[in-house]
Order: sequence, then structure tokens, then C-alpha cells
Amino acid sequence: AQKITQTQPGMFVQEKEAVTLDCTYDTSDPSYGLFWYKQPSSGEMIFLIYQGSYDQQNATEGRYSLNFQKARKSANLVISASQLGDSAMYFCAISNDGYQLIWGAGTKLIIKP
Amino acid sequence: DAGITQSPRYKITETGRQVTLMCHQTWSHSYMFWYRQDLGHGLRLIYYSAAADITDKGEVPDGYVVSRSKTENFPLTLESATRSQTSVYFCASSRTGTSGGTYNEQFFGPGTRLTVL
Repeated sequence: AQKITQTQPGMFVQEKEAVTLDCTYDTSDPSYGLFWYKQPSSGEMIFLIYQGSYDQQNATEGRYSLNFQKARKSANLVISASQLGDSAMYFCAISNDGYQLIWGAGTKLIIKP
Repeated sequence: DAGITQSPRYKITETGRQVTLMCHQTWSHSYMFWYRQDLGHGLRLIYYSAAADITDKGEVPDGYVVSRSKTENFPLTLESATRSQTSVYFCASSRTGTSGGTYNEQFFGPGTRLTVL
């Protein structure tokens, strides 16, 4: 069975600093996809970034990058130059069958001005 | 240009009543999903559909019924609502499950907050 662990229930970060949100996963399948989503206080789920298990390079999307360490089963999200609008819940999720996403419990990130 | 919409956005009902949550997407995505979000559990998959008339159970299907007669619609029905079904319900869609070894992201609706009294 697959599992996602997000060990940081909450984080406070100063504006403009870089942020690393931790995500470890457990799966026995060699093929899988890892996803990060953002959920602001308004409630919607916003897709941020994707990493495939066979991808050779770490994924990047603007200020978001994924620090993928396959041997450690780690897929940490890095947000560079944090902004006040980055304050939100962040969820890591994994899929190995193309339909079911298994989600972590999330990390609440608060950016301080 | 709506993308994926859900209705109603808020619903209060009583134990034992039937409730239907609607989901509509305009992208012609093959896959559609229903999740519930409860504090401390992240999101959990209730049902999913790979195409019209094809549905399958997720992690927590008990007490729920789905149908998909048209590609764009995926209603979720609580046949006899219980207090434990108080939650935020998200509908999502994706183009396909996988393509060329890549797993496609799911796009989410705004959610429906359901309270069962």
C-alpha cells in the first residue's frame, strides 16, 4: 500500500525566505507520480508541480521546485523567495495507477511579513 | 471557460435525507473523481470514473452512489445522510490516468461544504 507522510503540521517563515516542505512516501511500485497541491484559505485545491519516478531531473515550475531523492523516497517542495500569498495548506500526493491519489495530511505554511 | 464546477457550494441537511452533489466539467476529461476532505485525513477518494458509464470504488465508498451518463457530469448521491458524512467534498477531473509513463494531474472544483445535522 502506498503512503505519504508530511511531518511538519505547521511552519512559520519570514517573507522572502526560501521554504522547504517535507514529503516522504512509501510504495513498492517502480512507476509512480508525485504531486504537490496548494490549498489557500478560500478552499480550492491548486496543482503546483509534478515529478515522475523515472524523471531524471527535478521538476521546476516558476518559484516551485521539487527536491526528488528517489533512494530516500523523499519529494520535498521548495518555494523560493516566499511571498505573503504563499500562506496556505500544502499537500503532497502519490499515484501509481493513474487515477487514485494518496494524500498526506498536509503542512500549514504561514508567511510572516 | 468554467472548467470544473460544483453545486451547491454549501448544503445543510438532516440525518436520513438523500442529498445529491453535482459536478460538471467543460474540458471533456475522461477521468472524474470524488474526494472528501476531513481534518487530519487529507483527501480520501470516494469514487472515480474512467469514462461515461464506467465507475469504480475508491477508499471510502460506503454510503455513496455515483453515476456518469455523460462525460461532463459526475453526480454524487448520499442515499441516507449520516453525521459522519459531514465534510468538504471535492470533485476533480484529469485528461487520462497516465500517458507515456506520465501521471496526469487532477484539476479540482471549488468544493461543497456539507453539514449533516
